[in-house]
Amino acid sequence: EDKVVQSPLSLVVHEGDTVTLNCSYEVTNFRSLLWYKQEKKAPTFLFMLTSSGIEKKSGRLSNILDKKELFSILNITATQTGDSAIYLCAVNTNAGKSTFGDGTTLTVKP
Amino acid sequence: DTGVSQNPRHKITKRGQNVTFRCDPISEHNRLYWYRQTLGQGPEFLTYFQNEAQLEKSRLLSDRFSAERPKGSFSTLEIQRTEQGDSAMYLCASRTTEMKGTSGGNEQFFGPGTRLTVL
Repeated sequence: EDKVVQSPLSLVVHEGDTVTLNCSYEVTNFRSLLWYKQEKKAPTFLFMLTSSGIEKKSGRLSNILDKKELFSILNITATQTGDSAIYLCAVNTNAGKSTFGDGTTLTVKP
Repeated sequence: DTGVSQNPRHKITKRGQNVTFRCDPISEHNRLYWYRQTLGQGPEFLTYFQNEAQLEKSRLLSDRFSAERPKGSFSTLEIQRTEQGDSAMYLCASRTTEMKGTSGGNEQFFGPGTRLTVL
């Protein structure tokens, strides 16, 4: 059965801190790994990677995928209170199915 | 608004009743997904459609759950003989299989969800 595990489950930091969110996976026929941000409503897309490497977005967020070791890392530098949310990792397979982790709840205090 | 819409947004029902939820995806999206999400957990995959074909169903989906997408556009999710354990947020998402955007079409666009409470 496909599995996605995220850690830590929750994290509390102060503005300006750097955080690292982890996602490991075991799936059959990996296609892509995506990160979503979920605030009070539905998840919204952040990143997608299909091959090992680094992608940056908006300067403070970066995402690493290691397909050999089957994990991904989401880094957020210079955190802001607006970064407070649940961060979800999801893996898509070639069969079209998506498996989500349980998320990391990030709280950024002023 | 051209996003994914779901109706109703909230549903309270008594145990044993049947409920039906509707999802209207983004119009050009051929794939439609249903998820269930409870507090402290990520979305749990239930089923997905490519156009009108239901391609995969989760083992979570007991025989009380059924989903349809008869014309390849909107979809309905029905739960028969509801149980208290069915209380959750039911999320619908859609995507295209065309290679487009920064996600190459892999990104799913989520609706606001239907929150079900079974008393």
